[in-house]
Amino acid sequence: QKEVEQDPGPLSVPEGAIVSLNCTYSNSAFQYFMWYRQYSRKGPELLMYTYSSGNKEDGRFTAQVDKSSKYISLFIRDSQPSDSATYLCAMSGGYSNYQLIWGAGTKLIIKP
Amino acid sequence: DTGVSQNPRHKITKRGQNVTFRCDPISEHNRLYWYRQTLGQGPEFLTYFQNEAQLEKSRLLSDRFSAERPKGSFSTLEIQRTEQGDSAMYLCASSLFVGSYSGNTIYFGEGSWLTVV
Repeated sequence: QKEVEQDPGPLSVPEGAIVSLNCTYSNSAFQYFMWYRQYSRKGPELLMYTYSSGNKEDGRFTAQVDKSSKYISLFIRDSQPSDSATYLCAMSGGYSNYQLIWGAGTKLIIKP
Repeated sequence: DTGVSQNPRHKITKRGQNVTFRCDPISEHNRLYWYRQTLGQGPEFLTYFQNEAQLEKSRLLSDRFSAERPKGSFSTLEIQRTEQGDSAMYLCASSLFVGSYSGNTIYFGEGSWLTVV
C-alpha cells in the first residue's frame, strides 16, 4: 500500500461545477500538506499549503485537512476550462523535510 | 519574479551518451532540489542543496547521476552513459528555508524532458 493514495481519474465535470479532489494517507506523522496543479508537460505549480488540520481558502480554492481521518481535500468553486490539469497532493512530516511524499495525481477535465 | 528556470527544455540523446541539465533557482532561495517524474507518477526526489552544499542524495540515485551547485546559485545535473530507463522529466525546484513551517514551500521549474533512444 502506498503512503499516499489519490484516484488518478480522469474526473470530468461541467464548467461552473464544484470540484472535490481528495487524498488519503497512512503516516500520522505528516503535518504539512500541499496541493500542486500540473499542466501537460509542465512543472507542478503550488496552489495551497496547509499546516496541520483545518481549512484554508484562497479565491476559488479551499483546502481541507482532517488528520483524524488521514484525509485531505481540495475544492474548486466555479470551475473553469482553464482548471483542466492534473492535481497532485504532497505531504511531509516536518517543515525541513524536502522529501515530499506525493500522490500520483488526479486528472481533471472541465467541459465548457 | 523570474521563477525557476531550466534548460534545455527538451533533450533527445542516444543511449550511452552523457547529458547535462541546468537550473537557475529563484534568486533569493537558498535550497535547490532535483526531482524526476515519469508519466502518471508524482515527482521522485533525487537530491538537494542548501547553498553550495549537497546535503542529501536519494539512495535510488545511480552513481551515473551527479549534481553540482558550485557557487550556491545555479545547479547542473549530469547523467552519464544514459540508459532508456532514464527517459523522464527532470524537475528542478527551489525554496527559501528559514527554519519555520511557513518558510519551506517548494517552487518548481517547468522541467527538462529527456528521451533516450
